[in-house]
Amino acid sequence: QQQVKQSPQSLIVQKGGISIINCAYENTAFDYFPWYQQFPGKGPALLIAIRPDVSEKKEGRFTISFNKSAKQFSLHIMDSQPGDSATYFCAASISIGYSTLTFGKGTMLLVSP
Amino acid sequence: DGGITQSPKYLFRKEGQNVTLSCEQNLNHDAMYWYRQDPGQGLRLIYYSQIVNDFQKGDIAEGYSVSREKKESFPLTVTSAQKNPTAFYLCASGRTYEQYFGPGTRLTVT
Repeated sequence: QQQVKQSPQSLIVQKGGISIINCAYENTAFDYFPWYQQFPGKGPALLIAIRPDVSEKKEGRFTISFNKSAKQFSLHIMDSQPGDSATYFCAASISIGYSTLTFGKGTMLLVSP
Repeated sequence: DGGITQSPKYLFRKEGQNVTLSCEQNLNHDAMYWYRQDPGQGLRLIYYSQIVNDFQKGDIAEGYSVSREKKESFPLTVTSAQKNPTAFYLCASGRTYEQYFGPGTRLTVT
């Protein structure tokens, strides 16, 4: 049973455009929602994360929007650049006690010049 | 230079052979994790360890084994019982909410 559903599977955006990736979760006990960025042949790296006590978090051109009632969260990349071309994974976890991250299946983003 | 190292970057094995993937970290993290990545499948958890000499199965542990004798090291053995071992394997360390990943090992079994 997939607990974190991510869409779209792939995305092509023109340089300067807005990239939007969506995720939905099922487990209401999740209270930590990170996004990871992975370049080809490399390991993922933590990009930005949010907890459900806020509806939005912004770091530079990257913004997470969180809708607790809908159990959805999304990543927005403003002014997308070719260097943003990578695979993006959303994830969710329970932050207390011993827990693990549950990942979405990933979105391959291509920003065309 | 702190971080997580995985070796080798590429590994080739014949079917029926066991193979061990190395993972070392100098970040002083208690917890370490092994993930498998297949195209379109995301990251799936194989095993994790919260402390030395203790580890737990993840979602896809069948055909894999691990050990955690030292805080810095968490090797993964892909056994001949793993039906489809060809994949990209990622090691991570850190707390649940802040995991740092190594560069990965691409294993090809023919």
